[in-house]
Amino acid sequence: AQSVTQLGSHVSVSEGALVLLRCNYSSSVPPYLFWYVQYPNQGLQLLLKYTSAATLVKGINGFEAEFKKSETSFHLTKPSAHMSDAAEYFCAVSGGTGFQKLVFGTGTRLLVSP
Amino acid sequence: NAGVTQTPKFQVLKTGQSMTLQCAQDMNHNSMYWYRQDPGMGLRLIYYSASEGTTDKGEVPNGYNVSRLNKREFSLRLESAAPSQTSVYFCASTIPASGESGELFFGEGSRLTVL
Repeated sequence: AQSVTQLGSHVSVSEGALVLLRCNYSSSVPPYLFWYVQYPNQGLQLLLKYTSAATLVKGINGFEAEFKKSETSFHLTKPSAHMSDAAEYFCAVSGGTGFQKLVFGTGTRLLVSP
Repeated sequence: NAGVTQTPKFQVLKTGQSMTLQCAQDMNHNSMYWYRQDPGMGLRLIYYSASEGTTDKGEVPNGYNVSRLNKREFSLRLESAAPSQTSVYFCASTIPASGESGELFFGEGSRLTVL
């Protein structure tokens, strides 16, 4: 079985500051890991995914995440926040190859102040 | 390029009423899902359909039924709505490629209020 824990329901940063959103996972098999973003009144869209290739994954809008097996973590970072990054971010895990169900974390709302 | 289309976008029901949420995708995806999103709880899987002709329960199936009408369409039915079903409902689809878990494509959501 898989599960995800996102630390912090809200994270506030200033424009231009580093963004760090934390995600820890639990999986009984080698996991596939995902970060999704949700803008107000919209569905979720994929930011990036880890599927057992490179441990440092680059996504859209300047975001990246690093898979650390020893820490069971997949934290999302961006060097410099922009106002348009304000949204809710979800970490998700699945059990790897073939048909799988994604299990989502509870989400972290990113607030960006001028 | 519609992607995943959900109808209706908003609905208000009284307790005990029934309704169906419709979902259609035009990406020729095999798998379709229904999630509900509640504050502080993330997305929870209600039902899914791995392929046309199959449906299975997810994490929170009680009070819901689904129909995979064809490859494009996957509907969610509330037979007797309860206030606990007030939520935002998302339909999603994917085509799991061999050896890789597929990306989910989401609709814009259906906001349901049960009074």
